[in-house]
Parts: sequence; C-alpha cells; structure tokens
Amino acid sequence: GDSVTQMEGPVTLSEEAFLTINCTYTATGYPSLFWYVQYPGEGLQLLLKATKADDKGSNKGFEATYRKETTSFHLEKGSVQVSDSAVYFCALSDTAGRRALTFGSGTRLQVQP
Amino acid sequence: EAGVAQSPRYKIIEKRQSVAFWCNPISGHATLYWYQQILGQGPKLLIQFQNNGVVDDSQLPKDRFSAERLKGVDSTLKIQPAKLEDSAVYLCASSLDGTADQPQHFGDGTRLSIL
Repeated sequence: GDSVTQMEGPVTLSEEAFLTINCTYTATGYPSLFWYVQYPGEGLQLLLKATKADDKGSNKGFEATYRKETTSFHLEKGSVQVSDSAVYFCALSDTAGRRALTFGSGTRLQVQP
Repeated sequence: EAGVAQSPRYKIIEKRQSVAFWCNPISGHATLYWYQQILGQGPKLLIQFQNNGVVDDSQLPKDRFSAERLKGVDSTLKIQPAKLEDSAVYLCASSLDGTADQPQHFGDGTRLSIL
C-alpha cells in the first residue's frame, strides 16, 4: 500500500539557518504530493503541493520538488524564522486508488532566536 | 470563506462509554473525510464521503465506530463503546470534489481522552 516516510525530529535550528526535511514515498499510481504544517494550537494547513513529476511547489519561502526517480519530495527553506516552528507533515494522494491523504509521521521543527 | 468547523474541541470519557463528534465542512465541498491522529503520528483516514455516500471506510473499526453524512453536508462520527486506544485527535477535512490535486481543508480537531 501507499506510504510516506519522513525524517524523525525534532529538528532544531538557529534563525536564518537552511532547512531540509526529507520525505520519500511509495505509491502504486501517480500521486499528488503535499506538505502540510501544524502550528502550535492550530489545525493542519496546506503549505504547498505538486501534482506531477518535476513540479516544484512553493509557498512562504518553502519549496519542494517532486522527484519521481528518487520518489522524494524534500522540503527546503533558505532562511528559517522563529515563526516557522511547527510540525511538518508530508502526504500523498494517489490518483490510482483512493484519494484520501496518506501522511508521514510528521517532523517537529524548533527554530531558536 | 468559513473553514471546517468541528465540535467539541475536547472530550474526556471513561472506557466503554459512547461519544459523538460533529463536523460542518466548507460550503460547497462535496468530499468529507474523518481522520484519526494518535499522538506522535500522522493522521490516518477513517472514512471518506462523497456527498452523502461512503467512498472508503476500509480502515474504520466498524464494530465500534460509525459515521454518517445524511444530507451531504454535516457529518457525525460516533464511537461506542470507547477503548483506551481510541485516545486521539479526530480531524475532519473537506475538499471541493475529492480529486487528487484538490487540497483538503482541515478543522481544528476534537481531542478525545479515554480514562
């Protein structure tokens, strides 16, 4: 079945550091890929998405590129801020099967001033 | 636009009791999902509705969980009887038409604690 694997956290960075959160997936079809973010005390919010190979999703300075050859969708940001502290979830929606999201286990990011 | 509304925000019950959660999706969204998020894990789908029909309930523990979306809008999720392992956050989400590239919009969830 479909699955998503994320790097374990917490990831602790200083402000303005470069961020990478790794995400790899297994899917039977041609999935759409998503990053969701959960800020403290808030619900899940869509951060960015990519629907086909080589697409790059971007939002709020975050980027991720859909790499079919390595089945990856790593999240990057060039300069993190304290306000980026949250839990980040990688997810997929498989077009060949059910279209509900399959989530990774989440990666907690802590940014220190 | 108004987001996905869920109630209650928190619920504490004893094992073997019953509990119900309510969800009002974004207006016009045909697809509604219920997810269970256990502490430290990602959300896991319980059931997916398209309008008032069930699309996928393969991961719903049907001996104790039930859900309905009678008029294709609001939905309720019920647990009866509850077990300790049901302690989790129950998330409701909706999307416009359920296609793979349409984003899902999540409510704030109901945090359930079983004593």
